[in-house]
Amino acid sequence: DTGVSQDPRHKITKRGQNVTFRCDPISEHNRLYWYRQTLGQGPEFLTYFQNEAQLEKSRLLSDRFSAERPKGSFSTLEIQRTEQGDSAMYLCASSSLLRGLAFFGQGTRLTVV
Amino acid sequence: DQQVKQNSPSLSVQEGRISILNCDYTNSMFDYFLWYKKYPAEGPTFLISISSIKDKNEDGRFTVFLNKSAKHLSLHIVPSQPGDSAVYFCAASRGGGGKLIFGQGTELSVKP
Repeated sequence: DTGVSQDPRHKITKRGQNVTFRCDPISEHNRLYWYRQTLGQGPEFLTYFQNEAQLEKSRLLSDRFSAERPKGSFSTLEIQRTEQGDSAMYLCASSSLLRGLAFFGQGTRLTVV
Repeated sequence: DQQVKQNSPSLSVQEGRISILNCDYTNSMFDYFLWYKKYPAEGPTFLISISSIKDKNEDGRFTVFLNKSAKHLSLHIVPSQPGDSAVYFCAASRGGGGKLIFGQGTELSVKP
């Protein structure tokens, strides 16, 4: 399967703990995106990379959130000092430069208790 | 500021009939529009897209119509099948790529 892969699929953590999610995009895609989706809402843009450069960050991305794409391939999204409001589905997507069509991974469901 | 809106949270349709899902947008700079389908606990799956230079794009049972003057797009599914039951999101972007702005979604239920 050469689609977008996310790990883990589910994460339950205690409030105040740090969590890290991984995304492996489609191999030839230069762009990688992170979105967050809560119940009853559409996915909300968090940040995106073109190769290893982080080109845009949403104001939703507080300073507790950090994303990296060190070698322009996989990406990690870290949330420090998690809060209950961080509970959501975190989605990763990738696209090529030539075509804006984004393909999504299965998502990581985060529950903060 | 909700730039992309899907005003119908849910839609119920009989199998074999047409499903019409609607989406409105406010930003005239959007030039690429997409529809995604989402099952619970899965990521969105791409269905069909349309560039702002077109007003219609068709792929099998799915057709997307774009009315730029009204800033409105719609997805038609004909004939609807029970397997089409899912949440449908419309999304828009600028410059043919980059981040997508999503609507809130419409849950389609196709009844046998």
